[in-house]
Amino acid sequence: QSALTQPASVSGSPGQSITISCTGTSSDVGGYDYVSWYQQHPGKAPKLMIYDVSNRPSGVSNRFSGSKSGNTASLTISGLQAEDEADYYCSSYTSSSTLTVFGEGTKLTVL
Amino acid sequence: QVQLQESGPGLVKPSETLSLTCAVSGYSINSGYYWGWIRQPPGKGLEWIGSIHHSGSTYYNPSLKSRVTISVDTSKNQFSLKLSYVTAADTAVYYCARAGYYYGSGTYYGRYLDYWGQGTLVTVSS
Repeated sequence: QSALTQPASVSGSPGQSITISCTGTSSDVGGYDYVSWYQQHPGKAPKLMIYDVSNRPSGVSNRFSGSKSGNTASLTISGLQAEDEADYYCSSYTSSSTLTVFGEGTKLTVL
Repeated sequence: QVQLQESGPGLVKPSETLSLTCAVSGYSINSGYYWGWIRQPPGKGLEWIGSIHHSGSTYYNPSLKSRVTISVDTSKNQFSLKLSYVTAADTAVYYCARAGYYYGSGTYYGRYLDYWGQGTLVTVSS
């Protein structure tokens, strides 16, 4: 089971919106609504930002939103803030024997 | 507030067994969810290792399955990871986490990891 495909890096200015893509196959992202997104600051544990494609856990800013189309899921961050600068990982259930697969990770830089 | 804390040796010799424990507070393992282990080699991405339910039901990443054992101790509200025959490639930060899931039609669906421990670096070196 290969990792889900994410861009290595994205960037945006404060106040702008950015979108991070996460591309898989019909065996994972495209086949199930069990996509989640995690934010990881350097030296810290990942933090759940989105689950089940588009649901936000309690306490997560509504500037973060998730969606899916076909085999590609997306995380959109609106009104970029300096504190959003971090690594972001997507994850999905997969019907392969691996069961859970992560994306390669995307480094978000706030300019 | 749910909190998880990993503990165990930070240095393991090649070919030996890595052993870590995750202590859970603020939530009873018996109350539900699966409980998982994830690792992250330095400078690299995340890799799911496996998950366990308080009933003892386990699921493992097949790439590690032959070397991994995850167990649960409900009396201590903790669960553990053992990874045998380690090599330098097993050097990583190891995280424990609570795993949301759906179980239907005889199939386990891992949905998300909502609470994480702070992580512990385990280095494999002689």
